[in-house]
Amino acid sequence: GAVVSQHPSRVICKSGTSVKIECRSLDFQATTMFWYRQFPKKSLMLMATSNEGSKATYEQGVEKDKFLINHASLTLSTLTVTSAHPEDSSFYICSASIPGTAREQFFGPGTRLTVL
Amino acid sequence: RKEVEQDPGPFNVPEGATVAFNCTYSNSASQSFFWYRQDCRKEPKLLMSVYSSGNEDGRFTAQLNRASQYISLLIRDSKLSDSATYLCVVNPGSARQLTFGSGTQLTVLP
Repeated sequence: GAVVSQHPSRVICKSGTSVKIECRSLDFQATTMFWYRQFPKKSLMLMATSNEGSKATYEQGVEKDKFLINHASLTLSTLTVTSAHPEDSSFYICSASIPGTAREQFFGPGTRLTVL
Repeated sequence: RKEVEQDPGPFNVPEGATVAFNCTYSNSASQSFFWYRQDCRKEPKLLMSVYSSGNEDGRFTAQLNRASQYISLLIRDSKLSDSATYLCVVNPGSARQLTFGSGTQLTVLP
């Protein structure tokens, strides 16, 4: 299957700082990528849909000014958690699907964010 | 009502057992269906797509009942390595977004 990478895999930061997470499609071009958040023992919750060259589409209840998404190229989307607080600590996962193919999504390995 | 509902478990079964997971979805217009597997602290990985006619992949059998809006996964001859959380996933049809169930935790015991 297609490969999606995320960086960093783990980050610990102080409250109030901003954290940038990168999501890359390594062997295909992705016009659309998805950002999810998963709290312990909970399901993945879609945060936003990242569209190359245009604004991201945010799910209800997700603050777009807090979770900044940039999809500047066909292989890279970034999620920046601004002014992070302890309640933002979570597992952030991105995914992408190959344009024009079946609906399977390929997931990155996730980024575990801990805000102290 | 949740869009995708699963029994959270946990299911603790002995090696070699057969175990079945069920899932229901609320959007009758949903177009595609999947079972994903997620190991602890890892990303979800596709286990299998689910087709209307039912499909089998080795020890795994998936069924879809559109009339009842019900999806199932059957695992035969369970292995220790099958221990994971199994996620029922539905594509409601809009722009390739996926809706995840909360997952069913399976532990296969020696």
